[in-house]
Amino acid sequence: QKEVEQNSGPLSVPEGAIASLNCTYSDRGSQSFFWYRQYSGKSPELIMSIYSNGDKEDGRFTAQLNKASQYVSLLIRDSQPSDSATYLCAGSGGGYNKLIFGAGTRLAVHP
Amino acid sequence: EPEVTQTPSHQVTQMGQEVILRCVPISNHLYFYWYRQILGQKVEFLVSFYNNEISEKSEIFDDQFSVERPDGSNFTLKIRSTKLEDSAMYFCASIGREGTDTQYFGPGTRLTVL
Repeated sequence: QKEVEQNSGPLSVPEGAIASLNCTYSDRGSQSFFWYRQYSGKSPELIMSIYSNGDKEDGRFTAQLNKASQYVSLLIRDSQPSDSATYLCAGSGGGYNKLIFGAGTRLAVHP
Repeated sequence: EPEVTQTPSHQVTQMGQEVILRCVPISNHLYFYWYRQILGQKVEFLVSFYNNEISEKSEIFDDQFSVERPDGSNFTLKIRSTKLEDSAMYFCASIGREGTDTQYFGPGTRLTVL
C-alpha cells in the first residue's frame, strides 16, 4: 500500500515566523511531489512541485526533497495569518499517474 | 487564467438515488481525474480517464460508479445508487500538455446523501 504520511498538527506559529511542514512517503517509485494548500471547504490549490533532490524556492515557499530518506518538506517564511490552512503533501509516479495524498497538516498562524 | 469548473457546488440526494456530477476541465487538457474527500479525511483517488477510456481506477470505484466524457468539454461522474458513505466532496482535476504532470483541481461538489 503506497502511503504518504504527514503530522496532522495543528502547527501553530506566530506571524512572521518560519513554518516547517514535513511529509514522508513509502513508495520509492514516486517521482513527483506536490504541496497543495486547502482552505476549509475548498479544493486543493497547488503551491509547489518538486522532482529532484534538494531545495526549490518560490517566493516565501521552499520545498525540499530527499529521495534517499523518502522525505519531503515545505518551509514557509514570514508566515502570515492568511497562510492558515491545511497543507497537503502528495506523491505521484510521475507523468499522468494519480496523486496519493497525505492527510494534511493544519497550520495556524497567529498575529 | 483557465480553470476547472464543477457543477453543482452542492448536491443533496436520497439514499439509492442516482447522481451525476459534472466537470468542465481546462480546455485542451488531456487527462482527467476524480478524487473524493470525506469530511475530515484525506483526498482519495477514484479514477483517471484518457482518450475516452479509464486509465486507472481505485478500489473505491466499484460498479456503482461510472465516468463519461459525453462531448468535447464535459467530464461526468455518475453514482448509480448512492449510499450514506458516498457523502463527500468530489473533486475533478485535469492535466494539460505533454511533459507536465501538475493536476489542477476544480472547486468541488459537496454530495450529501440522506
